[in-house]
Amino acid sequence: AQSVTQLGSHVSVSEGALVLLRCNYSSSVPPYLFWYVQYPNQGLQLLLKYTTGATLVKGINGFEAEFKKSETSFHLTKPSAHMSDAAEYFCAVSEGENNDMRFGAGTRLTVKP
Amino acid sequence: DGGITQSPKYLFRKEGQNVTLSCEQNLNHDAMYWYRQDPGQGLRLIYYSQIVNDFQKGDIAEGYSVSREKKESFPLTVTSAQKNPTAFYLCASSIRGGGSTDTQYFGPGTRLTVL
Repeated sequence: AQSVTQLGSHVSVSEGALVLLRCNYSSSVPPYLFWYVQYPNQGLQLLLKYTTGATLVKGINGFEAEFKKSETSFHLTKPSAHMSDAAEYFCAVSEGENNDMRFGAGTRLTVKP
Repeated sequence: DGGITQSPKYLFRKEGQNVTLSCEQNLNHDAMYWYRQDPGQGLRLIYYSQIVNDFQKGDIAEGYSVSREKKESFPLTVTSAQKNPTAFYLCASSIRGGGSTDTQYFGPGTRLTVL
């Protein structure tokens, strides 16, 4: 069965600095990978997803992620952090016909002024 | 305005009581899901439904029950058998139930507190 590990439960960056949130997965078949963002007391919103094709995926709010099969990774990046990026971020992997999605434990991003 | 609605936003329950959380979608999606979110544990799947009148247990179904009588509705009942029900509950839907590329769209969540 597939699984996801997010390295670092908390990440803190300064406004304008690079954001890097790490995600590693395990999957027995080619995975489909997702990043979601959650603001306090709200549901999850899709940032981006990888299915097939180009391994560098661009999402909303200036985020992007690169699928690296050799490293089983799907790290999320943004060149310049904004205060509004402060939230919790979840990496997820899906495989199989039932759209069985597995989520990582989440990484809370803090942006300092 | 299409989307997923969950009600209520906050819910308080006394020990030993059953409580039902509502989830409605007007996206015409076939599949719907219920997740439980606890701090530091991400989301865990409780139940999912690929089509009307059909549903399957997820990883933590014990103490929960669901129904799917209508395409747009997927209510979750938290029964007194659930030993630790205090959590944030999220409902989601996707276009199809079978198809790993389909995005799951989430509702705003219901925070359940057992007093």
